[in-house]
Amino acid sequence: NAGVMQNPRHLVRRRGQEARLRCSPMKGHSHVYWYRQLPEEGLKFMVYLQKENIIDESGMPKERFSAEFPKEGPSILRIQQVVRGDSAAYFCASSPTARATNEKLFFGSGTQLSVL
Amino acid sequence: AQKITQTQPGMFVQEKEAVTLDCTYDTSDPSYGLFWYKQPSSGEMIFLIYQGSYDQQNATEGRYSLNFQKARKSANLVISASQLGDSAMYFCAMREGSASYDKVIFGPGTSLSVIP
Repeated sequence: NAGVMQNPRHLVRRRGQEARLRCSPMKGHSHVYWYRQLPEEGLKFMVYLQKENIIDESGMPKERFSAEFPKEGPSILRIQQVVRGDSAAYFCASSPTARATNEKLFFGSGTQLSVL
Repeated sequence: AQKITQTQPGMFVQEKEAVTLDCTYDTSDPSYGLFWYKQPSSGEMIFLIYQGSYDQQNATEGRYSLNFQKARKSANLVISASQLGDSAMYFCAMREGSASYDKVIFGPGTSLSVIP
């Protein structure tokens, strides 16, 4: 029973390039959360998606960042024209439900983005 | 506004001793869940323990227990008989329900070092 799969594990980009981070939730989970972790900091909420819908993107920077969770395939976090400040670990988590305060999030291993 | 506070950026504990990691939270929602995650140097997020807002008893999971004081809005993690492998970052998180979906937010974390 595969867990949350994120790829790539490490991603190196030069300033101005695009970064695409992928997340496949656990089987049966249709709710995906993306978090960003800057060095020596905690996880900051970015966006919450259900299949084909962005539910809450209040933590996403207004420019250059976008996310999607299509009907088929993984969720994608896309960062256009990356800058050095985008260097961070990006975690994806999934949940089987939208409303269950007793339901823990299942995390992927994260993607470490390094911008040169 | 949601908020999780972890006031101890770093903690040291002698091997085999117990340690308490502090967490306070702020919410106006009567229904919420509190979680602790461990993040070792390898980076993955490991779920440790859960406490529901309506739970009458403190949660326990092996060497982990949660000191839940609802009136004070605190949910401290107690690790008994510390082991060298407990050295890691520890994050307190809260899942709070809104009208249609939950949001999970994390505290800034506490770095625990276990001394032989």
